[in-house]
Amino acid sequence: NAGVTQTPKFQVLKTGQSMTLQCAQDMNHEYMSWYRQDPGMGLRLIHYSVGAGITDQGEVPNGYNVSRSTTEDFPLRLLSAAPSQTSVYFCASSTTGRTAYSADTQYFGPGTRLTVL
Amino acid sequence: RKEVEQDPGPFNVPEGATVAFNCTYSNSASQSFFWYRQDCRKEPKLLMSVYSSGNEDGRFTAQLNRASQYISLLIRDSKLSDSATYLCVVNKQTSYDKVIFGPGTSLSVIP
Repeated sequence: NAGVTQTPKFQVLKTGQSMTLQCAQDMNHEYMSWYRQDPGMGLRLIHYSVGAGITDQGEVPNGYNVSRSTTEDFPLRLLSAAPSQTSVYFCASSTTGRTAYSADTQYFGPGTRLTVL
Repeated sequence: RKEVEQDPGPFNVPEGATVAFNCTYSNSASQSFFWYRQDCRKEPKLLMSVYSSGNEDGRFTAQLNRASQYISLLIRDSKLSDSATYLCVVNKQTSYDKVIFGPGTSLSVIP
């Protein structure tokens, strides 16, 4: 049981390049999300998904796109990388209770450390 | 004012000491509270949920004070392995996108 996996672990981009951060989970979780973590800022939600085909914006969505074609996968796409997107990116997943949007335990992937030059 | 605030530390304590962290939140409608632990260059992991009546898990005790809008985490008999950053997490309402992470408090337990 791999849990939540992310690739790549490290990435260096030049300003203006695009790339996709991959995230997959094998726990059949409905909820998946992407966070970025910057020093002193805490984890900030970029985008989230409540199930296949459904995504929505979080706190800091600008410059990022997501899609959720399957329950397992939730890739994050950087459209045109900027130095301000240098950060550590975490993907997380969680189950859902019988009521919508319960704050269940979130399981995080190991993170992707991205540097934009 | 940030929605969730924590003393960033670092807290440097000797082995065996008792240490307490506080976390304040600004939205009185917050409903769920958690402590996560994050080791250096690793992902966050759930340490414990925080219940209104307070709860204990071994050496760890979490308390919630809704009137003053803060939660606390007490670690007794600190171990070297407790060295990590402790993240306070607040869910403002029953909506997934309203989970707010605090910036974290760094703890170093020294021999």
